[in-house]
Amino acid sequence: DGGITQSPKYLFRKEGQNVTLSCEQNLNHDAMYWYRQDPGQGLRLIYYSQIVNDFQKGDIAEGYSVSREKKESFPLTVTSAQKNPTAFYLCASNSGTKAFFGQGTRLTVV
Amino acid sequence: DAKTTQPPSMDCAEGRAANLPCNHSTISGNEYVYWYRQIHSQGPQYIIHGLKNNETNEMASLIITEDRKSSTLILPHATLRDTAVYYCIVSPSWEDSSYKLIFGSGTRLLVRP
Repeated sequence: DGGITQSPKYLFRKEGQNVTLSCEQNLNHDAMYWYRQDPGQGLRLIYYSQIVNDFQKGDIAEGYSVSREKKESFPLTVTSAQKNPTAFYLCASNSGTKAFFGQGTRLTVV
Repeated sequence: DAKTTQPPSMDCAEGRAANLPCNHSTISGNEYVYWYRQIHSQGPQYIIHGLKNNETNEMASLIITEDRKSSTLILPHATLRDTAVYYCIVSPSWEDSSYKLIFGSGTRLLVRP
């Protein structure tokens, strides 16, 4: 099936550790996005990429980093500089007319 | 910042139409209106989008006012599975280099049995 795959679904890390969240798509979409969602809140844009080897900061990029070396992959690294990393992270790709979302990764930092 | 305003919550009875409003008074001429919904702890799901004309698909209808400053998403016969948070988004078309989806807080729709 075509779609967006995020892994893992649940992730636990100790405070101060960097952690990388995976996002893979086989939809041949150029644009990919990372969002953060806190309980009871809407989605906030972290980073987005419109083409391979290019990406832009969203509204809350501090403490995060991304890479886009392949069209299919857009991994997100949550660094130790992110003050409140515990959240639900969603990856999306866009066909140009609509976005497709993964099922999310719930990150808990203890 | 999100460019749309939605009521935080609404409810409707199962089997009745759910009409979800959205204000986008600063919408630009090249921006589309998109609707997505998010069922608890899942990724958002695309519902429908439009530019000027009213649109209908198998999930819903979208009514856009003539001045394009507001729109209404209509679920004609709401079911319990339609309970979700509904997001209204305005965004340029893909050809625009500023293309990105900015989500607001959405409307939490509760469908009552």
